[in-house]
This record gives sequence, C-alpha cells and structure tokens, in this order.
Amino acid sequence: AQSVAQPEDQVNVAEGNPLTVKCTYSVSGNPYLFWYVQYPNRGLQFLLKYITGDNLVKGSYGFEAEFNKSQTSFHLKKPSALVSDSALYFCAVRDPNGATNKLIFGTGTLLAVQP
Amino acid sequence: SAVISQKPSRDICQRGTSLTIQCQVDSQVTMMFWYRQQPGQSLTLIATANQGSEATYESGFVIDKFPISRPNLTFSTLTVSNMSPEDSSIYLCSVGGTGGGGEELFFGEGSRLTVL
Repeated sequence: AQSVAQPEDQVNVAEGNPLTVKCTYSVSGNPYLFWYVQYPNRGLQFLLKYITGDNLVKGSYGFEAEFNKSQTSFHLKKPSALVSDSALYFCAVRDPNGATNKLIFGTGTLLAVQP
Repeated sequence: SAVISQKPSRDICQRGTSLTIQCQVDSQVTMMFWYRQQPGQSLTLIATANQGSEATYESGFVIDKFPISRPNLTFSTLTVSNMSPEDSSIYLCSVGGTGGGGEELFFGEGSRLTVL
C-alpha cells in the first residue's frame, strides 16, 4: 500500500535562510508526488509535483523539490525563506497503478519562519 | 485550475443533528472527492463522489453517516449525519480533472464544523 511520511512536525528557520521540509514515500512502482501548502483557515494550495523527467521540479512561490528514487524522498526546498512562507505543508503521493485518483497525504509539517 | 466554492465555510452544530455541505465548481470535472481534516491532523479521504451513481467510500466511512450526492459534473454535497463532537473537523471538497494519475487535485476553502 502506498504511504508518505513527513518526519518533522515543525521546522523553524530564520528569514533569508534556506529551508527544507522532508518527505519520504512508499509505493510499489514509480510514484507521482505532490506538495501542498495550507495557510491558516484556508484550503490546500498546490505547490508542485513530480511525475517523470527531471528530478528537480520547480513550483509556486520559489519552492522546488528534488525527487530521489534511491532514498525514496521528495524534499521541499527554498533558497531563501520568507516570513510569509510560514504555513502547514503537506506531501502527498499517488500510486500510478492505483484504480482511482486517490492522493495519500502525509501528516504535515508546520513551517515557522522567524523575522 | 478550477475554482471551488464550499458552503457553509463554518458552522457550529448541536449533537445529533445533520449538516449538508455544498461544493460548486466553476467548470465540469470528472473526479470529485471529499476529505476530512480533523484538528491538528492530516487529510483523510472520505469518498469519491461519482456522477450519476453511488459514491465510493473509503474504509472506515459509510454512506449512512456521510451520504453524498453528485447530480452533475459541477456540484456535490456531503452530509454529516447524526453528528457527535468527534465529527468536529474541516471538510474539504477537491476536484481532479479527468482523473489522470499525474494531475494535481484542487481544493475548496473547506467547511469548518464544530459539534457541541
């Protein structure tokens, strides 16, 4: 069965510093991987995805993520954090061999960027 | 990307009552889903809303508790029946194009329910 793990409940980073939010996955074949962000009292917003091709994918708001098949990881990164990046981040995986379009979400990582 | 509107955005409900949440999309979509996000938790898929047929429920969710309607390709409702405080959650409608594996889902703003 497919699953995704976000090992950190919270990540703290100073504004201007690089940030990394970790995600590892488990699927039977090649995964489809996604990152979403949730601001307080809002729905989820799509940031980026990896389907195939270049392992480094770029998304909204300057975020990028690197697919690493050998480590089964898809960490979210940004070179320089902003206070406005503070939010809850979810990694999600879809099994391409699955019968539905179901996304499985991680438990979320709260990113706190200090001024 | 689709624009998804949910109503109500929030509500406070009494134990034992039922509440229906509406999801309206600004374009026709094949796949519609309902997720639950309990306080401090991740998202859990409740069911896939199928147009013209019964919804497909995930393990742990049943039609009697969460009846779903999908009368057309732009609209769906989720009812939370006979509510208890454990049903206090954010309920999110999401849509995903033609259902292709590589397509991202888009989410509504959510309906925050508090059951007293």
